[in-house]
Amino acid sequence: EIVMTQSPATLSVSPGERATLSCRASQSVTSSLAWYQQKPGQAPRLLIYGASTRATGIPDRFSGSGSGTEFTLTISRLQSGDFAVYYCQQYNNWPPITFGQGTRLEIK
Amino acid sequence: EVQLVESGGGLVQPGGSLRLSCAASGFTFNKFYMSWVRQAPGKALEWVSATSGSGISTYYGDAVKGRFTISRDNSKNTLYLQMNSLRVEDTAIYYCAKGSPGVPAAGVFESWGQGTLVTVSS
Repeated sequence: EIVMTQSPATLSVSPGERATLSCRASQSVTSSLAWYQQKPGQAPRLLIYGASTRATGIPDRFSGSGSGTEFTLTISRLQSGDFAVYYCQQYNNWPPITFGQGTRLEIK
Repeated sequence: EVQLVESGGGLVQPGGSLRLSCAASGFTFNKFYMSWVRQAPGKALEWVSATSGSGISTYYGDAVKGRFTISRDNSKNTLYLQMNSLRVEDTAIYYCAKGSPGVPAAGVFESWGQGTLVTVSS
């Protein structure tokens, strides 16, 4: 099973600033990496797939990069609605599909 | 617009059974892989199971293999999860999720339901 490790667990950033979230896979997942945003009491929402392709309706403030085992989600010009928990997920060779433990993005 | 509506959650004793349903609309149901993903209280997302568009192929996470069964009725646009031998650690919100077209992209969850809560407790 491919283990996904996200860092940091919690990230404090001021509105208007940029947030950088990291995700590492225990073995290569090529570019089969997705990012999701989850707000309290809501279902997750797909942000990025293929490591860098934004899902429908996702603003260009959200960008993904990386391949192999190291990935980054960058959120620029943070807005109040961006403060949430973010999960990375690999789908390169499944089953199983595996998620990271999440990064909580909080207001500084 | 894609809509996924789960139902069937509730309180069940350890060792008991429950069947979850997910009613789908807004897309050609039999063309897409569907999955169940769960989230224990305050914990991360955990993939549970997936099925191909036809329902012929099914896949399970190790934590539920042999206890849970995924199925679908394409005539009713409905996904199911039969959960047997439930354990306290199965307590979670269960989401159904629509996969993206193709494989392995079927593991990309482009649409999610609102979830149904399953509580396993005596």
